[in-house]
Amino acid sequence: RKEVEQDPGPFNVPEGATVAFNCTYSNSASQSFFWYRQDCRKEPKLLMSVYSSGNEDGRFTAQLNRASQYISLLIRDSKLSDSATYLCVVNNYGQNFVFGPGTRLSVLP
Amino acid sequence: EAGVTQFPSHSVIEKGQTVTLRCDPISGHDNLYWYRRVMGKEIKFLLHFVKESKQDESGMPNNRFLAERTGGTYSTLKVQPAELEDSGVYFCASSQGLKTQYFGPGTRLLVL
Repeated sequence: RKEVEQDPGPFNVPEGATVAFNCTYSNSASQSFFWYRQDCRKEPKLLMSVYSSGNEDGRFTAQLNRASQYISLLIRDSKLSDSATYLCVVNNYGQNFVFGPGTRLSVLP
Repeated sequence: EAGVTQFPSHSVIEKGQTVTLRCDPISGHDNLYWYRRVMGKEIKFLLHFVKESKQDESGMPNNRFLAERTGGTYSTLKVQPAELEDSGVYFCASSQGLKTQYFGPGTRLLVL
């Protein structure tokens, strides 16, 4: 079993739609959680950190459920520019990042 | 402020040759990480430097890979001799604290 698993995707949604991505992790010692986005042939870029109480940044909302070892990302009012691969990333404080395989999103006009 | 930079952006070599990848972290970042993405797989950790010391090299695939960070600034990752399965994208990342990591653009390595 992979340490971090994500919806396989791809997700193809129309502009303006709401889309949710799910992620589960197996290491209960994980302490930090992130969503990164990766555009085609580019490096991963931090989208947002994920906090226990849940957090929101504009159209993006991240949730963490430590008991279920589950992380989610909700994107509201999808834009064409949101098309990318979304990477769920966990780490044990100060140690290396463990990446999920990513979920590809295509927002269609 | 300049981000993480990597050189070269692309490298095509033949099996058995040697390749050296370079990473310049964000100035002042003590933590430097190397990762690799092989075609069709997720990004995987290779190793972690804190300044010039190797903190964790548990992800290094074998002894054909050698990473250095002399002086605690830039880092190099040498593959010698390269094999076909070494092809992929090699990312470097740096961080100031122990949380958010900032990634470089990657080096695309193709071993023929």
